[in-house]
Parts: sequence; structure tokens; C-alpha cells
Amino acid sequence: AQSVTQPDIHITVSEGASLELRCNYSYGATPYLFWYVQSPGQGLQLLLKYFSGDTLVQGIKGFEAEFKRSQSSFNLRKPSVHWSDAAEYFCAVASRGGYNKLIFGAGTRLAVHP
Amino acid sequence: DSGVTQTPKHLITATGQRVTLRCSPRSGDLSVYWYQQSLDQGLQFLIQYYNGEERAKGNILERFSAQQFPDLHSELNLSSLELGDSALYFCASSGQGGGLFFGEGSRLTVL
Repeated sequence: AQSVTQPDIHITVSEGASLELRCNYSYGATPYLFWYVQSPGQGLQLLLKYFSGDTLVQGIKGFEAEFKRSQSSFNLRKPSVHWSDAAEYFCAVASRGGYNKLIFGAGTRLAVHP
Repeated sequence: DSGVTQTPKHLITATGQRVTLRCSPRSGDLSVYWYQQSLDQGLQFLIQYYNGEERAKGNILERFSAQQFPDLHSELNLSSLELGDSALYFCASSGQGGGLFFGEGSRLTVL
């Protein structure tokens, strides 16, 4: 069965520090891959997506993610975290046949210390 | 602002009751998706409509139903509500280029 694992439920970083959020997926073939962010009381905002091509994907708000087929991973990174990045982050996958029927990971809650 | 509008934002009701959640997709988007977010189940896909037709079904209970109208807005109907139905219900729409655009959700509390 398709699944998405985000191993870290909660991460705390200092403002200005680098960030990496992990995402691993289990899928029969290479899926479409997404990262979303949810701020408290808000909906989910698409940060970036990977369909094909360059495995390093740039997104909004200074985020990037790297697809590694050999590791079935799609980790999200940011070189310098801002206090406004505190939120919950969701990795999601979708099959290439139904690319909008997303399967989400459990999420990683990011706290940023000043 | 994603362009997806959901009403109401908050809803409190009692067990056994029925509620309707409404969603207007982004201008030009033909697909509407409904998701449920709860603490124990996380984000789960419920159902998708495309231009008025049901396209895909996920973990949607038989007590729940949805439809998409000719003006492309969608409604999610939840009936015989149980305490466990308390959750945040998201609507999303999609256009060209892939990825979903989510509304801010409707928070349902069943007492």
C-alpha cells in the first residue's frame, strides 16, 4: 500500500539555523511528490512539487526539496529559518495516474526559537 | 489566499444531526476535492468531483455525501453525526500544472 512517513513529529530549531524535514514514501513507482505547510488556523499551502526532471526542486518562501529515488525520500530544506516558518509541514504523494489524489504524511510540527 | 472559499469556518452541532459544508473552487478550476483532518487519522482524502461528476472516492463514510453543482461549487453533507466526526474539513481545487489549492477549512465540532 502507498504510504508516506515523516519520521519527526516535532522539530525545534533556532532562528537563522538550517532546516531539514524528512519524508520517505512507499510506492510502486515514482510518484508525484509535494510539500505543504499549514499555519495555525489556516489551510494548507503548496510549497513545492516534483513531477520529473531535476531532482532538486525550488519552492516558495526559500524552501527546496531533493528527490532521491534510491532512498525513496523527498526531504525539505531551508538554509536559514525565520520565526514565521513555525508551522506544520506535510509531505504528500500522488500516483501518476491520479496526481491530485494526495496521500499525506502525518506531518512535522516546526517550532522556531528566537 | 488560495482562491478556494469554504463556509462555514466553524460549526458546532449535536450527535445525530446533519450539516452541509460548502466550497467554491478557484476561478476556472473544474475539480473539487474534500479532505478530512483529524488528530487520530491525519489528513484523509474523502472524494473528488470533476465538472459535476464524481471522479474518485477515498475513505468517505456512507453517512457522508457530496455533490458538485453546475456553477462548480461543491457541498459535503454529513449526516447522523457522531463525536468522532469532529474534524477539520478541507476543500481543495486543482487546475493546470498539478498540486491542490486548499481552502481554510470548516471546523466541525460534534457535541
